[in-house]
Amino acid sequence: EVQLVESGGGLVQPGGSLRLSCAASGFTFSRHAMHWVRQAPGKGLEYVSVISSSDGSTYYGNSVKGRFTISRDNFKNMLYLQMGSLRADDMGVYYCAREALGSAIDYWGQGTLVTVSS
Amino acid sequence: DIQMTQSPSSLSASVGDRVTITCRASQDINNYLAWYQQKQGKAPKSLIYAASSLQSGVPSKFSGSGSGTDFTLTISSLQPEDFATYYCQQYSSHPLTFGGGTKVEIK
Repeated sequence: EVQLVESGGGLVQPGGSLRLSCAASGFTFSRHAMHWVRQAPGKGLEYVSVISSSDGSTYYGNSVKGRFTISRDNFKNMLYLQMGSLRADDMGVYYCAREALGSAIDYWGQGTLVTVSS
Repeated sequence: DIQMTQSPSSLSASVGDRVTITCRASQDINNYLAWYQQKQGKAPKSLIYAASSLQSGVPSKFSGSGSGTDFTLTISSLQPEDFATYYCQQYSSHPLTFGGGTKVEIK
C-alpha cells in the first residue's frame, strides 16, 4: 500500500524557515517524481514544486521560486521541502504527492499545516 | 505559465443528476490533464489522468474527455459521496498549474 506521511509543519514567524518532510513507503521511491502542493485556508490547490526521479531536476511555482528548495533521499525514501523567508501567504496545508511514472499525480499524503504568524 | 480556468466555480445538484464540469487551458496541453476530488478537510484524491483515463479504483460513473484546450469531467449519476470540490491540473509544462476548483453542493 502506498503511504505518504508528511511532518514538520508548525508555527513560524514571518521571515523564518521550516523544513517539511515526507516519508514514503509501499513503492519503489527512487522510480517516481515527487511533488509538493499546498492549500491556503479556504482556497484552492496551488502547485509548489517537483523533483524528478532520475536526475534530480527540480521545478518551482513562481510564488516560491528562490525561497523554497525541494530535495529527496532515495536511500531513506524521504522527500523534503526547505522553506525560507516565509510570509503570511505561505500559510496552509502542504501535501506531498507521488507522480505516476511519466504521468500525473496518483497518490497524496494527508498534509501538514504551516502557520506563519508573529 | 499555462492558466487553467474551471467553470462553474460552484453548482448545486440533486442525487441522481448528471453533472459536467469544464476546464479550459490557456494554450494547447494535448491530453496532459488530470482531475482531482477533494472533500472538506481531506486530502485530494486522484480521479483521472491523460484527460480520460480513470485512476485505479475510481468508479466508472466518473468520466473525462477533451484534448488541446477544452476538457470536461462528467459524473453520470451524482451520489451523496460525490459532493466535493473538483480540480483540474495540467501537467504539460512547468510550472504545473491547477484550475480554481468547482464545488459541487447538494440542492
